[in-house]
Amino acid sequence: NAGVTQTPKFRILKIGQSMTLQCTQDMNHNYMYWYRQDPGMGLKLIYYSVGAGITDKGEVPNGYNVSRSTTEDFPLRLELAAPSQTSVYFCASTASSYEQYFGPGTRLTVT
Amino acid sequence: GENVEQHPSTLSVQEGDSAVIKCTYSDSASNYFPWYKQELGKRPQLIIDIRSNVGEKKDQRIAVTLNKTAKHFSLHITETQPEDSAVYFCAATPQGGGADGLTFGKGTHLIIQP
Repeated sequence: NAGVTQTPKFRILKIGQSMTLQCTQDMNHNYMYWYRQDPGMGLKLIYYSVGAGITDKGEVPNGYNVSRSTTEDFPLRLELAAPSQTSVYFCASTASSYEQYFGPGTRLTVT
Repeated sequence: GENVEQHPSTLSVQEGDSAVIKCTYSDSASNYFPWYKQELGKRPQLIIDIRSNVGEKKDQRIAVTLNKTAKHFSLHITETQPEDSAVYFCAATPQGGGADGLTFGKGTHLIIQP
């Protein structure tokens, strides 16, 4: 049982490039989330999903897109990367909508 | 939406002393309040949580108290040890239920002085 996994661990993007951050969980959780954490700050919710085929915006969705075609996977797409998207991205999941299990994070730098 | 304020931003205590971190929230519908510990370069790890139908919860040296009327909750760590040094985050559900995700405070850097 690997829990929540994320790839890649690190990535450097040039301004205007695009990429997809991958998130997979093997706990059969319905709820999945994407957060970003800027240096010295708390986590902010980007997007979330309450089940396959259902996604919704969180507090900071601009510049991102998500999809949820399966229960296990919840990829986050960055289009036209900007320096303001430099951050650490965490994916999380939960079965009960209470305790959230976090992945190890993806550290993204946009230059 | 929900707003969570956390204080202090940095807390330095002597090893063996107690540490208290306080948070306030704005949405009276919030009903789940977790605390996370994050070590440098690592993912947040849940250390304790409380639901709105409970006023206090303890787990060994860690306790959380909740005052729904005042909309604040606190983390108490007793007999602090060097391994307690980390950043601690409080969080709340924005509209109750938790499915919508968590709103986090900005974190408290806890430093345990030997």
